[in-house]
Parts: sequence; C-alpha cells; structure tokens
Amino acid sequence: SQELEQSPQSLIVQEGKNLTINCTSSKTLYGLYWYKQKYGEGLIFLMMLQKGGEEKSHEKITAKLDEKKQQSSLHITASQPSHAGIYLCGAAYQGAQKLVFGQGTRLTINP
Amino acid sequence: EPEVTQTPSHQVTQMGQEVILRCVPISNHLYFYWYRQILGQKVEFLVSFYNNEISEKSEIFDDQFSVERPDGSNFTLKIRSTKLEDSAMYFCASRSTGATEAFFGQGTRLTVV
Repeated sequence: SQELEQSPQSLIVQEGKNLTINCTSSKTLYGLYWYKQKYGEGLIFLMMLQKGGEEKSHEKITAKLDEKKQQSSLHITASQPSHAGIYLCGAAYQGAQKLVFGQGTRLTINP
Repeated sequence: EPEVTQTPSHQVTQMGQEVILRCVPISNHLYFYWYRQILGQKVEFLVSFYNNEISEKSEIFDDQFSVERPDGSNFTLKIRSTKLEDSAMYFCASRSTGATEAFFGQGTRLTVV
C-alpha cells in the first residue's frame, strides 16, 4: 500500500461549487504540505500544517490536519477557474529531510 | 520575491550522453533538494544536500547521479549516462535553516531519445 494516499485522483466541479481533497498517511506525520501544480510546471506552495487540529487558510483555500487519522483535507470554497490544476500533498516524517508526495488530484473547474 | 531558478527549462539528449541540470537556490537557503516527476506519476525524492554533502538520497539516486555546489550559488544534478527512463521533469528545491517550507523551481524537462 502507498505511504501517502490522495483522493480523489481527479475532480470535475462546476464553477462556484465547494470541493474537498483528502490526503491520508500510513505513518505518523511530522508535517503535511499542500502544493499546486499547473500541468508541466513547477510546484507552488500553498500551506503547511504541523499540529493536530491545525487549520490554515489562504484566500478561498482552507486546509486542516486531523492528527488522530493522520489525514489532511484541502477545501476550496466557491471554486473559480483559477483553482484548476493538480493539487499535491507532501508528507514530512520525523528524521527524514525529504517530502513524500501523494499521486495528486487533478482539479477541473467547468464554467 | 526570491525564487528558485532552474536551467534549462527543456533539454533533449541522446541516450548515453551526460547531462547537467542547473539550479540557483534562494540566496540565504542552506538545504537543497532534487526531485523528479516522470510524466503522469508522482513527484519522487532524489537527494538532499546540506553543508556541502549529501544528507539523504533515495534508491533512484544511484551511481549514475551526482550533485554538486560548484560555486556557492549554483546547485547541479549530473546524470552520467542517460537512459530512456531518465526522461522526466526534474525539480530543484531549497529551504532555509529552521524553516519548514521548501521552495520549488519551475523544473527542467529532460527528454532522452
């Protein structure tokens, strides 16, 4: 099984609708990062969560960390075409320098 | 706003040739990373570098790969003898001491033919 599972793999929503992307780790998280990637481009940092119950927001994007479930959710409110792209979660584990990434969620916003 | 810069943006090379991918990390950052993403697959960690030495590397980072910080500003990834399966987007990232956020470059798309 995968170390870090993201769901769903793809998501198509109508502009203006809310949506949620989940990321679940099979191991205890030290930190959880959310990035956005436009196809074929670099990773844009969105936010990082470290403490259980932590919640952060950036414009219409909110991320939460559930320490008990070792899971993070990314929620977009009133989606816009500019939100389209691939959302990646990356996990940091104790004692390791690297980030382990999920497989990504491809988000399409239909007008 | 400071950013991680990677060159070239796209490189095409023949199988068996050596390639060097270049990165200029953010100036006060001391931790450097290379990741790669094969088309349609996950972003995978290759190597981390701190204090002029490799601090962690993955199974992918075999003897064909090497990293170097030749002049205090550049951070390079060398692939000695490229294979078709090395075709991927390669990302450089850097982080400052004590910070948790790693900044990624725009990537170099390597195509091995």
